[in-house]
Amino acid sequence: GAGVSQTPSNKVTEKGKYVELRCDPISGHTALYWYRQSLGQGPEFLIYFQGTGAADDSGLPNDRFFAVRPEGSVSTLKIQRTERGDSAVYLCASSFDSNYGYTFGSGTRLTVV
Amino acid sequence: GQQLNQSPQSMFIQEGEDVSMNCTSSSIFNTWLWYKQDPGEGPVLLIALYKAGELTSNGRLTAQFGITRKDSFLNISASIPSDVGIYFCAGLRATNKLIFGTGTLLAVQP
Repeated sequence: GAGVSQTPSNKVTEKGKYVELRCDPISGHTALYWYRQSLGQGPEFLIYFQGTGAADDSGLPNDRFFAVRPEGSVSTLKIQRTERGDSAVYLCASSFDSNYGYTFGSGTRLTVV
Repeated sequence: GQQLNQSPQSMFIQEGEDVSMNCTSSSIFNTWLWYKQDPGEGPVLLIALYKAGELTSNGRLTAQFGITRKDSFLNISASIPSDVGIYFCAGLRATNKLIFGTGTLLAVQP
């Protein structure tokens, strides 16, 4: 597609549930990134994929968070046993040349109640 | 996580005024970027800076990469209502991760 697509745009879940957030990058972009943006803050890095492999997952806050990109295109961010503190906007971005600013999607707003 | 210091936190100005905001870091970056974020959207890249001392313009926007590589500023000239939004600076790390600033909220009154 023309831009980075993220689904769902909004997700409300109960504390303790499992959620999956999907990202469709721009076609041909080899690099894919996940960021988390809490209210009133700038985005914070979670994980970076180059192709199918996670090149840097140092931003994942704990082992409840996991992300995959099995075919080097679509990526899924998985959160187990969600907590209220996980509520945030989860942004995905992709780039062709990793030295340039990426293109962000509109994000998934996750609310844990 | 680490966030860069941006100031001011918010600005309320009249249409036609010039705006200046800056961003500082305790560590060096080799690339600085400026983004604008509208409500419900992801950040959109405005300007990228690659060399210390570099001054780059994009229409009414001008940004500079500080000579110490620890700061950057963004100027917007002759503001218009559609300039409203949150502006973020970001420094690029070697592993391609962006470290974002805390953001500057800009409100423009017609």
